[in-house]
Amino acid sequence: EDQVTQSPEALRLQEGESSSLNCSYTVSGLRGLFWYRQDPGKGPEFLFTLYSAGEEKEKERLKATLTKKESFLHITAPKPEDSATYLCAVEDSSYKLIFGSGTRLLVRP
Amino acid sequence: NAGVTQTPKFQVLKTGQSMTLQCAQDMNHNSMYWYRQDPGMGLRLIYYSASEGTTDKGEVPNGYNVSRLNKREFSLRLESAAPSQTSVYFCASRQGTTEAFFGQGTRLTVV
Repeated sequence: EDQVTQSPEALRLQEGESSSLNCSYTVSGLRGLFWYRQDPGKGPEFLFTLYSAGEEKEKERLKATLTKKESFLHITAPKPEDSATYLCAVEDSSYKLIFGSGTRLLVRP
Repeated sequence: NAGVTQTPKFQVLKTGQSMTLQCAQDMNHNSMYWYRQDPGMGLRLIYYSASEGTTDKGEVPNGYNVSRLNKREFSLRLESAAPSQTSVYFCASRQGTTEAFFGQGTRLTVV
């Protein structure tokens, strides 16, 4: 059975304090791993797709990496506007898209 | 382009009532999904449709039914609503293995 586990559940950082969010997964036939950002009261907003182990993607202060068992979302020198819930999702061989429970990030000025 | 449109945005039901949540996408995507999100939690897959004419169960299908009416529309039906179905419901669509695009959500309260 496909499973996605994210840690930590919540993370508080000072502005400029870099950190990483973890997404570990078990899936039959990984087609892709996705990172999303969700602001309160809104739908998830796409950040990155990773397809194979060793792949990395970057966007502004965010960098996503992928291994055969987990993915990391690295946040470098975060700003208060990076505060949000970050969701990880995996797609299996049947096009099923399963999400983790998310990491709630709060960046304090 | 509107992207993914969900209706209604808010709904209050009494226990035992039925209703249908509507979802339409204008991006010509093959795959569509229905999720529910409870407070402080991630998205849980209810049903999905990998292509027009097919539907499959997700993680939490009990108490729900779906219809892929055509390539654009994917509806979610609650036949007899229960308080445990109080949640925010999101519809999403995607093409192939690309990213999914989400609607704004339907906030459902069952009293």
